[in-house]
Amino acid sequence: EAQVTQNPRYLITVTGKKLTVTCSQNMNHEYMSWYRQDPGLGLRQIYYSMNVEVTDKGDVPEGYKVSRKEKRNFPLILESPSPNQTSLYFCASSFSGTSSYNEQFFGPGTRLTVL
Amino acid sequence: AQKVTQAQTEISVVEKEDVTLDCVYETRDTTYYLFWYKQPPSGELVFLIRRNSFDEQNEISGRYSWNFQKSTSSFNFTITASQVVDSAVYFCALSTLITGGGNKLTFGTGTQLKVEL
Repeated sequence: EAQVTQNPRYLITVTGKKLTVTCSQNMNHEYMSWYRQDPGLGLRQIYYSMNVEVTDKGDVPEGYKVSRKEKRNFPLILESPSPNQTSLYFCASSFSGTSSYNEQFFGPGTRLTVL
Repeated sequence: AQKVTQAQTEISVVEKEDVTLDCVYETRDTTYYLFWYKQPPSGELVFLIRRNSFDEQNEISGRYSWNFQKSTSSFNFTITASQVVDSAVYFCALSTLITGGGNKLTFGTGTQLKVEL
């Protein structure tokens, strides 16, 4: 089944404790991105990746890191989480990032709480 | 800069009523795509429709219909004979290319639809 998977689905952590949210897709998509969803703000793009070893900042990249060492994986890293990073996170992938036509397929979401 | 406005934060209707969710967008791009996503209480994002900037034909899919009007930069979504299962947050999104490469979805803030018996 074609899908985007994220782990963990739920995470409660404390300020400053490094964490990684994994994202994996099995559709051989070139393009992957991370979004965060906050009440009243919709979804906002954090980082995106056009292909392996090519990543760039979205609208709200502060406090986050990403890497793209393999085509299928695009982990989101929070080196020192803070309470304002409490949010619902979505990973997404699409066939290519070179056309606005391409539908982005979303993972199930990761609900992160930073105490 | 791209912007999507969903002015209706929350709508409540009684089952079988028709309901329209508004979406207004801003972009200087001439080629773009518009999307609607549904987010049920379980939290996942469900793709509903994609429409390109050159196709202003309305679309109907079962109880769902979409009205795209480029002249008013609107892409409204109507649910006919609403059902309780339609209760969800609905997001309108604008897809554009990023200068230098990349594809960005700009989301509206969402409309919470509650359908009651």
